[in-house]
Amino acid sequence: SAVISQKPSRDICQRGTSLTIQCQVDSQVTMMFWYRQQPGQSLTLIATANQGSEATYESGFVIDKFPISRPNLTFSTLTVSNMSPEDSSIYLCSASDRNTEAFFGQGTRLTVV
Amino acid sequence: QQQVKQSPQSLIVQKGGISIINCAYENTAFDYFPWYQQFPGKGPALLIAIRPDVSEKKEGRFTISFNKSAKQFSLHIMDSQPGDSATYFCAASKASGTYKYIFGTGTRLKVLA
Repeated sequence: SAVISQKPSRDICQRGTSLTIQCQVDSQVTMMFWYRQQPGQSLTLIATANQGSEATYESGFVIDKFPISRPNLTFSTLTVSNMSPEDSSIYLCSASDRNTEAFFGQGTRLTVV
Repeated sequence: QQQVKQSPQSLIVQKGGISIINCAYENTAFDYFPWYQQFPGKGPALLIAIRPDVSEKKEGRFTISFNKSAKQFSLHIMDSQPGDSATYFCAASKASGTYKYIFGTGTRLKVLA
């Protein structure tokens, strides 16, 4: 399976600021996704990152808060904007190709103070 | 998002015992059911997956049992080992090939030595 690298692995940010998380896959993939995982909790899908077009957001998530880019088939970014302590979470990038399972990066642990 | 209900929330098993985790889903359009294993500080890793055209799939010590009529599936870990101690998530996908998952709430498994 492909390898996903996420940067940063963790960060502590001031409220009101924004953080951009990068996701790099070592091979071209069809689908890329962003998930949020509260510590000790399950994974919630934020959006599907579409190459060359706007991301598709799940209910409860909006582009102004979580802008996503996907300029090519191996790279995506998620920005957490105007952060508040409620945004403290683990953010996970996931990728898959047709007829293969989805695999995950190690996540970005974000703490907002 | 459609729910996937997972139980138990936590599980303690003696070494060599059988660990059983259950999941139930609502949407009959789901057609792919993976199980993921997650260690602390790591992203989820695919363990085993099943499609609804079979009732059971076995890979090593891990078996998925699938009951389409009851809309339930379960993970059985035979001869459980301390190294199996992790959080396990079931998931379901309703669009073949896109691997956009709805995750269960997770089961924290501890295998005692």
